[in-house]
Amino acid sequence: DSGVTQTPKHLITATGQRVTLRCSPRSGDLSVYWYQQSLDQGLQFLIQYYNGEERAKGNILERFSAQQFPDLHSELNLSSLELGDSALYFCASSRDRQSSYNSPLHFGNGTRLTVT
Amino acid sequence: TQLLEQSPQFLSIQEGENLTVYCNSSSVFSSLQWYRQEPGEGPVLLVTVVTGGEVKKLKRLTFQFGDARKDSSLHITAAQPGDTGLYLCAGGPGGYQKVTFGTGTKLQVIP
Repeated sequence: DSGVTQTPKHLITATGQRVTLRCSPRSGDLSVYWYQQSLDQGLQFLIQYYNGEERAKGNILERFSAQQFPDLHSELNLSSLELGDSALYFCASSRDRQSSYNSPLHFGNGTRLTVT
Repeated sequence: TQLLEQSPQFLSIQEGENLTVYCNSSSVFSSLQWYRQEPGEGPVLLVTVVTGGEVKKLKRLTFQFGDARKDSSLHITAAQPGDTGLYLCAGGPGGYQKVTFGTGTKLQVIP
């Protein structure tokens, strides 16, 4: 158990709809990362938050947005959904501190989004 | 943008065989991590290497960080079906900066 909780586990929705994915990071971790993984592909970085503030942005579509709340949980909002948005969405958390090397990422088990 | 290329992309071998997976970049990383992902689950960290030339062993898995800290390899000895999964390398510049994930190597070990 990584300590990272993602809900819901599965989500089936129609094109044009909006959904919210939720992530609770591991206790003590200040950074939250969101990744998208399409079938049999690698992880595409979407966005990173550190202690409530956006830290880095990847190839995140304008239809997607995220935020990290004061209690450090994070939500990823996906709107105007398209068939191509069907994928696994992973949240990861990390201790991230001032260091010469990167802290390990601890991943949740993902939310499988199916857009029909 | 730091890019990490992994090879091979797919690997299907018989139980008991040895294999090596490579992770290459033109960028220098302060550290490099290896993860394994099983179907339906999130990636799980296997190891972090931080020093150029460093070699780390985890049972039958041997990880090496290149001298110039631009590449890494993962060698599995006597592969077992339980080694089946997607292997991902990830590198970063350190501190609060985000890590970049490699393209992944999908390994299937046939009993």
